[in-house]
Amino acid sequence: GAGVSQTPSNKVTEKGKYVELRCDPISGHTALYWYRQSLGQGPEFLIYFQGTGAADDSGLPNDRFFAVRPEGSVSTLKIQRTERGDSAMYLCASSLAGPSSYEQYFGPGTRLTVT
Amino acid sequence: GDSVTQMEGPVTLSEEAFLTINCTYTATGYPSLFWYVQYPGEGLQLLLKATKADDKGSNKGFEATYRKETTSFHLEKGSVQVSDSAVYFCALNGASGTPLVFGKGTRLSVIA
Repeated sequence: GAGVSQTPSNKVTEKGKYVELRCDPISGHTALYWYRQSLGQGPEFLIYFQGTGAADDSGLPNDRFFAVRPEGSVSTLKIQRTERGDSAMYLCASSLAGPSSYEQYFGPGTRLTVT
Repeated sequence: GDSVTQMEGPVTLSEEAFLTINCTYTATGYPSLFWYVQYPGEGLQLLLKATKADDKGSNKGFEATYRKETTSFHLEKGSVQVSDSAVYFCALNGASGTPLVFGKGTRLSVIA
């Protein structure tokens, strides 16, 4: 079946602009995660949704970052007033809910470059 | 907070060599442990996992054993292939449905 998809695959924007990154999780997965991966580093957690609500947004670096999941499926990560330090690969993952649902399935990522 | 430390790369091996990538963790309670792999140009894929002490995860010839006494989850493969060239990430989470904490990754290059 279809995996996690993310669009766009690449995004180049100018400093100060607003960007939106989209994630389509695997159908039926109620948990959705956003991570950010800088060059040479492991992914770092940003925010996690269980259904429509953000269960944990402690990883968002500041209030320029915001994410929504209005219908409990597709999610959008929004970055305002982008800075060069926001350049990174943004990864989305989804998983089933439930006590045995440990595996997170990752999308291919969106590479964001802020010039 | 929870953290994962894995050996720094890059690691370069000849085909059929033995591979070990060390991973240790710090966590409260009893986390689940994972190895993810990122092949060139592809997304992260789960390689193997272990959810309790002394469990051994295995897949594609790779193995890792959850060692609570040494807080380790070292990745091993007896005979690597060129196709194993990738970046390997050790990770943990404290409970089902919670975010993963990743190590920095170890790049493996296998030469023929």
